[in-house]
Amino acid sequence: GESVGLHLPTLSVQEGDNSIINCAYSNSASDYFIWYKQESGKGPQFIIDIRSNMDKRQGQRVTVLLNKTVKHLSLQIAATQPGDSAVYFCAENRVSGGYQKVTFGIGTKLQVIP
Amino acid sequence: SQTIHQWPATLVQPVGSPLSLECTVEGTSNPNLYWYRQAAGRGLQLLFYSVGIGQISSEVPQNLSASRPQDRQFILSSKKLLLSDSGFYLCAWSLGESYEQYFGPGTRLTVT
Repeated sequence: GESVGLHLPTLSVQEGDNSIINCAYSNSASDYFIWYKQESGKGPQFIIDIRSNMDKRQGQRVTVLLNKTVKHLSLQIAATQPGDSAVYFCAENRVSGGYQKVTFGIGTKLQVIP
Repeated sequence: SQTIHQWPATLVQPVGSPLSLECTVEGTSNPNLYWYRQAAGRGLQLLFYSVGIGQISSEVPQNLSASRPQDRQFILSSKKLLLSDSGFYLCAWSLGESYEQYFGPGTRLTVT
């Protein structure tokens, strides 16, 4: 069935290092892929997205890479900071039943070690 | 600016009791509204979505229901709670054809 999942449930990174969070997806019909950040006890917040016809997109300290050949998505965070500690969700979006259906993966917990 | 509110923030209810969680959005009109549930250490499961007043679509069959009595109000209900209903309930909104969703602060429900 359709799914968006993550390779690593927990990732520990030293402050200042780069973080790479990986995600695998199975639905080739997705229009966009999205990364959300969820801090403890809060709702997820949109970080960055990438259209399905792109391979790479950069934001402020974050880069998302999309490899459609192997159905793999990654989020790279440069110079990881303590405030980056959170659970990161990848999500895929496609139009279904006339609305934008977003399917979320399980999530990866990023722990930044000071 | 747009804001989304959920209440209560936390709730402890016994098995078999009713449930009513409320979500309201301010600063926008005719939003798409969503209810998600997040079990401990798990991902987000879409429960219901609504594209307009009185229009509710269910993603997962369960003992929960949703209603949208007003344009910017979305209510999640249950007549009899189960232990498995425990979790973190999130309301979200989006506009038109945009897929970017904005989440509320959530309600943590514990069924005992």
